[in-house]
Amino acid sequence: NAGVTQTPKFRVLKTGQSMTLLCAQDMNHEYMYWYRQDPGMGLRLIHYSVGEGTTAKGEVPDGYNVSRLKKQNFLLGLESAAPSQTSVYFCASSNQGTNYGYTFGSGTRLTVV
Amino acid sequence: AQSVSQHNHHVILSEAASLELGCNYSYGGTVNLFWYVQYPGQHLQLLLKYFSGDPLVKGIKGFEAEFIKSKFSFNLRKPSVQWSDTAEYFCAGLNQAGTALIFGKGTTLSVSS
Repeated sequence: NAGVTQTPKFRVLKTGQSMTLLCAQDMNHEYMYWYRQDPGMGLRLIHYSVGEGTTAKGEVPDGYNVSRLKKQNFLLGLESAAPSQTSVYFCASSNQGTNYGYTFGSGTRLTVV
Repeated sequence: AQSVSQHNHHVILSEAASLELGCNYSYGGTVNLFWYVQYPGQHLQLLLKYFSGDPLVKGIKGFEAEFIKSKFSFNLRKPSVQWSDTAEYFCAGLNQAGTALIFGKGTTLSVSS
């Protein structure tokens, strides 16, 4: 099993451009999450989903949108990228809520210039 | 407010030294706590978790953590560190809604051989 797969792994965007990050999991997990990791800030929750067709805001949702049209996929969109969105983005999934911890993807390093 | 705080930002040890990394959480109710490790260039991996019962939890690679309810703490320990333990360590707790993990800002551990 692949677990949690994130694409792309690296991306450079110009300010104002848009892009979508894809997260796919093959473990039939109900819950999926998007975090961003910045030096000295740990991981901060952007958006999450507790099931197909549902989404909810996390700690830092501004400037991002998400969709969970299929249970196995969780998309993170940046409509108009800003330099402040330069970060490493991690997707994670979990089963039975978060009681059993997350399975993380390998991350997407995004640079906005 | 719900939060997870890690006291140490950067810890430097020699091989065979003992390790203790601090973690405190600020909320009550159901407490589910985790420690994750991130090796350089990799995604987060689960070290150990606490849900209930025995407050001393043993994880992988010789790590353990002790949940002390009166101190709102969940410190990570290892009796003798190795060079391969060089990594960033994150403490995390389940938010009060039970829907997502809140992460501390992380502690960078550097072990010299």
